[in-house]
Amino acid sequence: GENVEQHPSTLSVQEGDSAVIKCTYSDSASNYFPWYKQELGKRPQLIIDIRSNVGEKKDQRIAVTLNKTAKHFSLHITETQPEDSAVYFCASGGSNYKLTFGKGTLLTVNP
Amino acid sequence: DAGVTQSPTHLIKTRGQHVTLRCSPISGHKSVSWYQQVLGQGPQFIFQYYEKEERGRGNFPDRFSARQFPNYSSELNVNALLLGDSALYLCASSLVGTSYNEQFFGPGTRLTVL
Repeated sequence: GENVEQHPSTLSVQEGDSAVIKCTYSDSASNYFPWYKQELGKRPQLIIDIRSNVGEKKDQRIAVTLNKTAKHFSLHITETQPEDSAVYFCASGGSNYKLTFGKGTLLTVNP
Repeated sequence: DAGVTQSPTHLIKTRGQHVTLRCSPISGHKSVSWYQQVLGQGPQFIFQYYEKEERGRGNFPDRFSARQFPNYSSELNVNALLLGDSALYLCASSLVGTSYNEQFFGPGTRLTVL
C-alpha cells in the first residue's frame, strides 16, 4: 500500500532560523500533498497544500515544494517563531479516498 | 460558523466492550472520514463515507464499522475493544468524497481501553 516517509522526526531551531521537513511517497498516482500542524492536545490544522500540477507554492513564511519525479515534497518555514512549535505532518492523497500521513516532525523553536 | 464537532471528548472503556463515537461535519460538507491516531504517530485512515455510502476502508479489522446519516453526520463503532484500540479518533469532513479535497479535522475523541 501507499507509504509516506517523513524526516526528521524531531527538529530544533533558533527563533528566526529556517526549518525544512522532507517527505517521500510511494504511490505514483498521488496528486495532492497537504501539510498539517498539530499543537499538543489539538486537532490537525491544514497549513498549506500543493497539487501535482504545481512545483512550488508559498504562503507568507511557509512554502512547499514538490518533485513528482523523485516522489518527494518538502515544507519550508522561514523566520521561525516560538508559536511555530508543534508537530507537523505531511500527507499524500491520490486516486483512492484516503490521505496517507507521515509519522510527524516535532518542531521546537527556541527563543 | 461551526467546524467539525465530535463527541464524546474523552472515553474510558474496558477490554471487550463496545464504543460509539460521533461526528458532525461542517455544514454543507457531504464527506466524512475517520482516522485513528496513536500517540506519537500520524493519523491512519479507517473509513470514508460520502453521501451515506462507504467509499473507502483502511487496513482495520471488521470490529470497526461506521455509517453516515441523511444529515451527513457519522458514527464510528468499535466492538470487542482491545488495549491497542486506545488512541485519538479523528473525524474529518470535506465538501466532496475525494482525497484531493481539503479535509477539516474535528478535535477528536480520546479513547482509553483498560
